[in-house]
Amino acid sequence: EVQLVQSGAEVKKPGESLKISCKGSGYSFTSYWIGWVRQMPGKGLEWMAIIYPGDSDTTYSPSFQGQVTISADKSTSTAYLQWSSLRASDTAMYFCARLTGSAAARFIEYWGQGTLVTVSS
Amino acid sequence: DIVMTQSPATLSVSPGESATLSCRASQSVGSNVAWYQQKPGQAPSLLMYGASTRATGVPARFSGSGSGTEFTLTISSLQSEDFAVYYCQQYKNWPTYTFGQGTKVEIK
Repeated sequence: EVQLVQSGAEVKKPGESLKISCKGSGYSFTSYWIGWVRQMPGKGLEWMAIIYPGDSDTTYSPSFQGQVTISADKSTSTAYLQWSSLRASDTAMYFCARLTGSAAARFIEYWGQGTLVTVSS
Repeated sequence: DIVMTQSPATLSVSPGESATLSCRASQSVGSNVAWYQQKPGQAPSLLMYGASTRATGVPARFSGSGSGTEFTLTISSLQSEDFAVYYCQQYKNWPTYTFGQGTKVEIK
């Protein structure tokens, strides 16, 4: 059974750093792209970035380029999303998601349960 | 970026009735559209991919259609568990995918 298990909720102050995680199991972690999706309170889904754990190939949506960093650790089958300096506007639920499909058509098949990040002074 | 526009924003439907949700792409995405269902407090889940292929375990009352720029998700005979928010997403424009803003299906 494919599972993506995310780290727990975080409460941080503006300016602090943060790294949240997404551990994959039940499949070959290095063979599938993993993406990160933001959902601000009461709002829709936003595509942030994507990583291929096999070689750490990474692409960011223009809106998130330079704002976050994604990475993956093959040895622990874990993907990460990190901030160096949080802002109140980073308050949101963050989902990791595993893609399925061919090179020409990959879609999200599996989702993590989400990590709620709250940034408040 | 390809913009995905969903309509209506909210759909009020009585249990047992059908619901038709629309999604329009700002340029052709072929059949590279997925639909997701999100219930309150939960992660989204995959309903449909390739515009019209149901994901594993999705009931047959869910159907998808369309290609190019116009897509439709139809839910026939709505059950209580179907009241949720539905999102379309294009995955034509790798690696910058985009979601629609969502359609909330609520009990009338």
